[in-house]
Amino acid sequence: DQQVKQNSPSLSVQEGRISILNCDYTNSMFDYFLWYKKYPAEGPTFLISISSIKDKNEDGRFTVFLNKSAKHLSLHIVPSQPGDSAVYFCAASVGTYKYIFGTGTRLKVLA
Amino acid sequence: DVKVTQSSRYLVKRTGEKVFLECVQDMDHENMFWYRQDPGLGLRLIYFSYDVKMKEKGDIPEGYSVSREKKERFSLILESASTNQTSMYLCASSPPTSGTGEQYFGPGTRLTVT
Repeated sequence: DQQVKQNSPSLSVQEGRISILNCDYTNSMFDYFLWYKKYPAEGPTFLISISSIKDKNEDGRFTVFLNKSAKHLSLHIVPSQPGDSAVYFCAASVGTYKYIFGTGTRLKVLA
Repeated sequence: DVKVTQSSRYLVKRTGEKVFLECVQDMDHENMFWYRQDPGLGLRLIYFSYDVKMKEKGDIPEGYSVSREKKERFSLILESASTNQTSMYLCASSPPTSGTGEQYFGPGTRLTVT
């Protein structure tokens, strides 16, 4: 059973526009929700996270929104840049050791 | 800067071979993890360790074992490699408590078993 789902395998956005990546989850016990970015042949790098007690966290061009009633989180990138082209994984954690990752969304930002 | 390094970027092994994947982190993190990444499946946890000599099974431990003799080093062992273990293997580390829940990943080892 996939507890963390990214239903869009890919997304294309024009440079300068907003990119919205979505993630759904099923477990109400998750403590943190995280977004990672992954370039080819590299490991994932942490982008931004949000505690389950918050509904928004912002860091520069990146904002994560958490809707607990819908069990949904989204990552907004504004404005999108060609360097943002990568695979984005959402992840959820329970405690210190248990991380569940989504299957990833490949973002392509078109110049 | 946190650095997590993995011993090989690419590895080709034959079916039945014993395979060792090494991971080293330089930030004195207590927690270390091994994942595999496959297309359409995301990252799946194989094993994790929260202290030296301590280990716990993740979601897909079958066919794998681990060793943590020193705090900075976490090894993944494929006892008898099989073709279905062809994958990208990612090591990660994290402190015992992190305000962001963040893990730090190595660059990955792409293992091909023929």
